[in-house]
Amino acid sequence: DIQMTQSPSSLSASVGDTVTITCRASQGINYYLAWYQQRPGKVPKLLIYAASSLQSGVPSRFSGSGSGTDFTLTISSLQPEDFATYYCQNYDSDPFTFGGGTKVEIK
Amino acid sequence: EVQLVESGGGLVQPGGSLRLSCAASGFIFSSYAMSWVRQAPGKGLEWVSAISGTGRTTYHAHSVKGRFTISRDNSKNTLYLQMNSLRAEDTAVYYCGKGGVGYYGSRGSYTYYYHMDVWGKGTTVTVSS
Repeated sequence: DIQMTQSPSSLSASVGDTVTITCRASQGINYYLAWYQQRPGKVPKLLIYAASSLQSGVPSRFSGSGSGTDFTLTISSLQPEDFATYYCQNYDSDPFTFGGGTKVEIK
Repeated sequence: EVQLVESGGGLVQPGGSLRLSCAASGFIFSSYAMSWVRQAPGKGLEWVSAISGTGRTTYHAHSVKGRFTISRDNSKNTLYLQMNSLRAEDTAVYYCGKGGVGYYGSRGSYTYYYHMDVWGKGTTVTVSS
């Protein structure tokens, strides 16, 4: 089975900072990688699909890159509403596993 | 407006059964894969099950294989998750999700995508005696 490993598991940042989260797949998943944001007490929300395609309505400060096994989510100019937990998901092959999550906290 | 509404959660004893439902509206239900994802209290997201738009192909996480069954009724625009032999570790909020837009390949077969571009609000399952 494909394992998805996110790093770091948490980070502290300030409003205006640029933040990068990485996700590594234990085997190649082409570009079938999605990123989600979950604010506290809220439903997860799709940010990025196909590794780098921005979901409709998502601010352009979010961007994704990578293919194969190594992927990144970058948040430029962090806003107060971006403090949340972020998850990656493999959807190349069953099981469609999530990474463990990265919690972005206010410094 | 695309909408997913889960129901069927509740308190059940270990070893018991529940059937979750997810009513879909605002899109052509049969054209999209659907999934169930759960989140235990204070934990991360765990993918549970997925099903193709036709219902002919299903997938289940190892942790639920043999106990849970995903299905769909395209005439009712409804997704289901039958959960049997429930355990305390199945306690979680269960979300249903709509898959991404698929495509027809060069040989005429249809490819479904299993990420989730729309999520329901979730239904809570508690397994406890």
